[in-house]
Amino acid sequence: GEDVEQSLFLSVREGDSSVINCTYTDSSSTYLYWYKQEPGAGLQLLTYIFSNMDMKQDQRLTVLLNKKDKHLSLRIADTQTGDSAIYFCAETLYNQGGKLIFGQGTELSVKP
Amino acid sequence: DAGVIQSPRHEVTEMGQEVTLRCKPISGHDSLFWYRQTMMRGLELLIYFNNNVPIDDSGMPEDRFSAKMPNASFSTLKIQPSEPRDSAVYFCASRIDRGADTQYFGPGTRLTVL
Repeated sequence: GEDVEQSLFLSVREGDSSVINCTYTDSSSTYLYWYKQEPGAGLQLLTYIFSNMDMKQDQRLTVLLNKKDKHLSLRIADTQTGDSAIYFCAETLYNQGGKLIFGQGTELSVKP
Repeated sequence: DAGVIQSPRHEVTEMGQEVTLRCKPISGHDSLFWYRQTMMRGLELLIYFNNNVPIDDSGMPEDRFSAKMPNASFSTLKIQPSEPRDSAVYFCASRIDRGADTQYFGPGTRLTVL
């Protein structure tokens, strides 16, 4: 079945780069997404990548996609304390009406 | 645009009571999704609608849960009777079915069933 896996925790120092990793199983996924959830809030779309791309950069965010290994990563450059949140990776199931399957979320803790 | 609007933001009720959660999607969006988030199970898709029609309700836990979308600008998720294990944050999301198929989430309703 479809499954998206992420590590649960990541701790970095302010100013360092953070790399959050994700693996997925459905090779038919057309888009892959990164969402951010701050405490007590909903999920906010950070960025997405189309499955025929291998990299996308958006300011401090870099998304890398290795379609062969079904591996997605999110790199946050110059991580700030305001980046502390839970980050969810998600894949879209094109053959199921575009349903999103989410990973468990990675809690990023940024220490000053 | 105001984004996806959910109400109430918080709901505390007693076991056995009926609970109704409400969602207003982003105007012009074609699809609407209801999710439940708990520590134990993470984010689960309950049901989704396309053009107001329920497409996939396989995630609805049991008959106590029902969802409706009477028009393009309103949806409800009802739990009757509620149980303590229904305590969770319930999110509504909407999507325009073009481009990146991105879902936009509301702020959620935190439900506590005592």
